[in-house]
Amino acid sequence: QLQLQESGPGLVKPSETLSLTCTVSNYSINNTPYYWAWVRQPPGKGLEYLGSISYAGAIYYNPPLRSRVTLSVDTSKNQFSLRLTSATASDTAVYFCARHPYAAHAEYFEHWGQGTLVTVSS
Amino acid sequence: ESVLTQSPGTLSLSPGERATLSCRASQHVLGNFLAWYQQKPGQAPRLLIFGTSKRAAGIPDRFSGGGYGTDFTLTISRLEPEDFAVYYCQEYGDSKTFGQGTKVEIK
Repeated sequence: QLQLQESGPGLVKPSETLSLTCTVSNYSINNTPYYWAWVRQPPGKGLEYLGSISYAGAIYYNPPLRSRVTLSVDTSKNQFSLRLTSATASDTAVYFCARHPYAAHAEYFEHWGQGTLVTVSS
Repeated sequence: ESVLTQSPGTLSLSPGERATLSCRASQHVLGNFLAWYQQKPGQAPRLLIFGTSKRAAGIPDRFSGGGYGTDFTLTISRLEPEDFAVYYCQEYGDSKTFGQGTKVEIK
């Protein structure tokens, strides 16, 4: 069964870069075409889609955060990663990695990691 | 960017009752590309419905979705104890935004 696991620092200082990695288990990122995505959820609030990347490096960034987000994929480690620059307190959230089908207009998330809380604070 | 407004904010019902959740978009949802998720405290969301009315794998048939254009609904025909949770709609046609959620609580 596919498993997604987020990892990275739980505390980031303001203005620094937030970096997270999602490790995919029991499934090869190279195997079949899917997009691998990041979604976040501030404490007690709703969900925000950040962007998606394919195994081949095709990338979609959701416009609101496009200028600050970088996604990458490492097929040799079966991982994909998120970098969010210039972090502020408003970036404090639970960050989820997820998977969605590889097709136009298919950004509905079938599989999710458990999520990891990142707090931006000095 | 389309804004999704879910109503009511909280729905208080008893097990066995029918739940009807609303999701209204500020713009026409392209291709009726609308999904619904269930989230319980401390857990990741779980996909229930995509494409307005298609149930995701393993989702019981008491969950159904419908709607068109800007108005969409999620119906739970008979609430089971495990259905009390927060529900989010998501548009993935253009804006790829989520609604703010409806909490279904035990009355």
